[in-house]
Amino acid sequence: GAVVSQHPSWVICKSGTSVKIECRSLDFQATTMFWYRQFPKQSLMLMATSNEGSKATYEQGVEKDKFLINHASLTLSTLTVTSAHPEDSSFYICSARVRGGIAYEQYFGPGTRLTVT
Amino acid sequence: AQRVTQPEKLLSVFKGAPVELKCNYSYSGSPELFWYVQYSRQRLQLLLRHISRESIKGFTADLNKGETSFHLKKPFAQEEDSAMYYCALMSGNQFYFGTGTSLTVIP
Repeated sequence: GAVVSQHPSWVICKSGTSVKIECRSLDFQATTMFWYRQFPKQSLMLMATSNEGSKATYEQGVEKDKFLINHASLTLSTLTVTSAHPEDSSFYICSARVRGGIAYEQYFGPGTRLTVT
Repeated sequence: AQRVTQPEKLLSVFKGAPVELKCNYSYSGSPELFWYVQYSRQRLQLLLRHISRESIKGFTADLNKGETSFHLKKPFAQEEDSAMYYCALMSGNQFYFGTGTSLTVIP
């Protein structure tokens, strides 16, 4: 099956700094990738849809200037948390969409745990 | 607006007992619905989707448009079924997840 990787898997940063998280589709091309945020014991919250070669589409309430998304190639999307604050500490998960037979399927990365001190 | 509702955060059943995880949705068009599972310390993975009408690991789910439900069922729960289960709805280009149900199968 399709594999999606994320790097880093875990990062600690100081308040005010920026952190970049990479999401890669390893054995397939993904024109669309998604970024989710998951708080402890809560569901995944869709943050934005990342389309290769165009601007990301952000969900309501998600600050696009704070969570910068770049989808420069068909196998890589990046999420940069700018000027991070402790409230940005969370688990960030990406997924890539691929057409599988009669329907689209989503494959998820393992997630990146961000801790802002 | 809440598109997917999973009313049970926690569900415990004994091994061999039937299990049903509830999912209700709100969507004006023809929905595409999925169940995803997340085992301990593993990534989220697709369990099944309504369009395929398949049975995976003994689980089935039937889309009931009248009741706007997509409940996940298994007649005989196994210990390895213990996991977090998410119901999801695809709307256009996006997926929306329910809050998840943590299933524990008691030996």
